[in-house]
Amino acid sequence: LAKTTQPISMDSYEGQEVNITCSHNNIATNDYITWYQQFPSQGPRFIIQGYKTKVTNEVASLFIPADRKSSTLSLPRVSLSDTAVYYCLVGPFYNTDKLIFGTGTRLQVFP
Amino acid sequence: EAGVTQFPSHSVIEKGQTVTLRCDPISGHDNLYWYRRVMGKEIKFLLHFVKESKQDESGMPNNRFLAERTGGTYSTLKVQPAELEDSGVYFCASSQDRKYEQYFGPGTRLTVT
Repeated sequence: LAKTTQPISMDSYEGQEVNITCSHNNIATNDYITWYQQFPSQGPRFIIQGYKTKVTNEVASLFIPADRKSSTLSLPRVSLSDTAVYYCLVGPFYNTDKLIFGTGTRLQVFP
Repeated sequence: EAGVTQFPSHSVIEKGQTVTLRCDPISGHDNLYWYRRVMGKEIKFLLHFVKESKQDESGMPNNRFLAERTGGTYSTLKVQPAELEDSGVYFCASSQDRKYEQYFGPGTRLTVT
């Protein structure tokens, strides 16, 4: 499965837009990009998934350029409750159920 | 609808003892997964059940770990005998279909002293 690289940590303030970029240079043709969020003392929670271009849901947007070698998770107007670790995962959608987590990005939102 | 539940939330045992972790998936989810994070490391896949069958157990570290899912409902993960390096957080997840949207439980923190 494709290896991902993301910043170890990011800081932001309430009300700002946060963009977390993930690099996946070796992404394969049948790989999807999935983001999970994890709060302290909880298990990871699915946020969003995409293959190309842009995907938006009630929580976030996912931007994927044409070459798919990177992706950006965008969180609009973050609040203190968005403080969490965000994981970028890359892998085939139906061929495997094995989620492979990297180190993730620890987002800290300040008042 | 109840989410994935795990029991206990925290377990402290001595090296050489046995511990059994339990996971109750979301009702109707045939797929059940176990993951763990040991200290300072990333979350790692352990195994995957489809109903009562082990679909993939490639992540199980050694034969001290035994996972079961009798009847295709809840699952147990037994560690016998426990070693110090088994300390960490054990997560269970379930999904309805074979896709990347897995629902995780809160985890069981295992401490082996």
